[in-house]
Amino acid sequence: GESVGLHLPTLSVQEGDNSIINCAYSNSASDYFIWYKQESGKGPQFIIDIRSNMDKRQGQRVTVLLNKTVKHLSLQIAATQPGDSAVYFCAENYKAAGNKLTFGGGTRVLVKP
Amino acid sequence: DVKVTQSSRYLVKRTGEKVFLECVQDMDHENMFWYRQDPGLGLRLIYFSYDVKMKEKGDIPEGYSVSREKKERFSLILESASTNQTSMYLCASSLGQMDTQYFGPGTRLTVL
Repeated sequence: GESVGLHLPTLSVQEGDNSIINCAYSNSASDYFIWYKQESGKGPQFIIDIRSNMDKRQGQRVTVLLNKTVKHLSLQIAATQPGDSAVYFCAENYKAAGNKLTFGGGTRVLVKP
Repeated sequence: DVKVTQSSRYLVKRTGEKVFLECVQDMDHENMFWYRQDPGLGLRLIYFSYDVKMKEKGDIPEGYSVSREKKERFSLILESASTNQTSMYLCASSLGQMDTQYFGPGTRLTVL
């Protein structure tokens, strides 16, 4: 497979455990945040998003938390499965910059059976 | 269902060749984007378009141009390919500003 990033931070998690992936964003005025999942050799896939007027949003097996005070975003994956192994990116959007996303460097998640 | 397609998954070209990368979306999205993705550098925006025949430079437009003659199609053009343009190229689209961007599968371009 293709590597989407060398020297990425890596999170190893046991199958069935919960995963927490963290992201520090750069612009305190950013108002929209997205988490993407990228499997080897594929394009990024949308997971979940959150707007700056919220601090928590839940999806299917995933929860995103936003802490604007410290400019921190996290993605929690419940009951991690082998299919969750991928690189996860956060992205931020600042309305005044139009629809230009700024991406984080990514975290590689490895699920151990 | 959201669908962004790219014309090729893998492409090998020679230095100096003109290269066309095609992207098509079937969601009637207004906005389309071209990124390149390199190890250690993440995703970097090359060009984007808010409407037909409109284009805006992203963060790294040098060596590239784009064309958007139809709403559903956004083309990335390498006028004279160079080895430093070897990369994964990703196309994305979104309905409007402040909306989620949906990505295609990517084109792995190698310039020899």
